[in-house]
Amino acid sequence: DTEVTQTPKHLVMGMTNKKSLKCEQHMGHRAMYWYKQKAKKPPELMFVYSYEKLSINESVPSRFSPECPNSSLLNLHLHALQPEDSALYLCASSHLGQGGTEAFFGQGTRLTVV
Amino acid sequence: KQEVTQIPAALSVPEGENLVLNCSFTDSAIYNLQWFRQDPGKGLTSLLLIQSSQREQTSGRLNASLDKSSGRSTLYIAASQPGDSATYLCAAFLTGNQFYFGTGTSLTVIP
Repeated sequence: DTEVTQTPKHLVMGMTNKKSLKCEQHMGHRAMYWYKQKAKKPPELMFVYSYEKLSINESVPSRFSPECPNSSLLNLHLHALQPEDSALYLCASSHLGQGGTEAFFGQGTRLTVV
Repeated sequence: KQEVTQIPAALSVPEGENLVLNCSFTDSAIYNLQWFRQDPGKGLTSLLLIQSSQREQTSGRLNASLDKSSGRSTLYIAASQPGDSATYLCAAFLTGNQFYFGTGTSLTVIP
C-alpha cells in the first residue's frame, strides 16, 4: 500500500469557522509533511513532522495548527482563515534518513475560504 | 534556502517528439531528487527518484539524470503522447527531511 489518503477532498469554510484536514498513511513512514499549493505555482512547504514531533515550521501563520497524534495520522487545524488561504493543501510522507527517501503525496484537499 | 528552478516554464510539442525538461538547484548537498507529475487540480504522482549516489534512473519512456556538481537534473521523455500532458515538478530532498519543489514545467503534447 503506497497510498496517502487525505480527507475531505473539498472544503468550503467561512472566515470564522474552525475545520480540520486529515491525512493518513500506512507505509510505516515516520516523516509527514503539509504543503500549500496555489494555482499554477509549485507546492510550498508548511510543516514537517519527524517521529510525530514538529521539526520544521516554515513561518506559517498561527491560524494553521498542525497535529500528529500518531505515526499514521497528520491533521491540520484551521481557524480564522482568510480568503487568500484558499489553495490545494497536500500531505506527503516518507521514510526518515538520508537518501532513497521517496515521498508519496495524497490527492490534496481543495480549500475555499469565503 | 534551496532554490530550485525549472526550464522551460511551458512547452508544447507534437506527438511523438522526444523532449527534455530541466531542473536546477543551488545547493549541491542534496540527498536525492525526485520527479513528479501533476494533472490539473490533482495531487502529485511520483515518476522517478534519483539518489545522490546515482547518476540516472529509467522507467519506461522516462529517463532522469542527476549531476550534483553542476546542480542539474534532466527528465527525458521519449516518444511523447497526449497523455503525457501535465505539469512536471522536480523536488530536491535536503537534510532535515525537507523537500523543495522546482517552479514546474507545463507540458502540452499535441495529437
